[in-house]
Amino acid sequence: EAGVAQSPRYKIIEKRQSVAFWCNPISGHATLYWYQQILGQGPKLLIQFQNNGVVDDSQLPKDRFSAERLKGVDSTLKIQPAKLEDSAVYLCASSFSGQLSYGYTFGSGTRLTVV
Amino acid sequence: AQTVTQSQPEMSVQEAETVTLSCTYDTSESDYYLFWYKQPPSRQMILVIRQEAYKQQNATENRFSVNFQKAAKSFSLKISDSQLGDAAMYFCAYRSGYTGTASKLTFGTGTRLQVTL
Repeated sequence: EAGVAQSPRYKIIEKRQSVAFWCNPISGHATLYWYQQILGQGPKLLIQFQNNGVVDDSQLPKDRFSAERLKGVDSTLKIQPAKLEDSAVYLCASSFSGQLSYGYTFGSGTRLTVV
Repeated sequence: AQTVTQSQPEMSVQEAETVTLSCTYDTSESDYYLFWYKQPPSRQMILVIRQEAYKQQNATENRFSVNFQKAAKSFSLKISDSQLGDAAMYFCAYRSGYTGTASKLTFGTGTRLQVTL
């Protein structure tokens, strides 16, 4: 099966600019996650979708971050305006809702550098 | 809230030797899953091994095995016959056994494994 697709792979922007990341999960996976991984740290959940509804966005900085999952498939994560501390790898993952023991399938991530 | 702790920022092992990576976690739940993920420079998180909390038998996957001590809330990863391709960041992760908002993975801070000749 095809994996989780993410784009772009790299992005460099200036602070206060906006940026968007795209994720296409594995077909049939109802649950989609966006994680932020700052250098030297473990991934931290930003938002979790179940189909096209938000399940958990408690760690999402809502004043600058937004995310949507249209039609329960693809998802977009946006940052506007970006700050220096947003420099990180943004990982998208998906899972089949009924298989908690199987972890997730991750994409290769987008490395964002804010200068 | 659950927490996962990896106390070894870096580890080194010689090729063909065995290394153990440590992980402890804190939870009040009885139903959960534990995972070890590998993250090479390509950044993609790759599932190495998983353990169901209700199983007493330690999970094994080829050269990878775990030592799951439920009472001590410890979940270490043993890599046998280490290979150069094992060099990567390794993350321990916890997942609640309940669906909904609790189904997220909570990660530790990672251990960087170097494999030397």
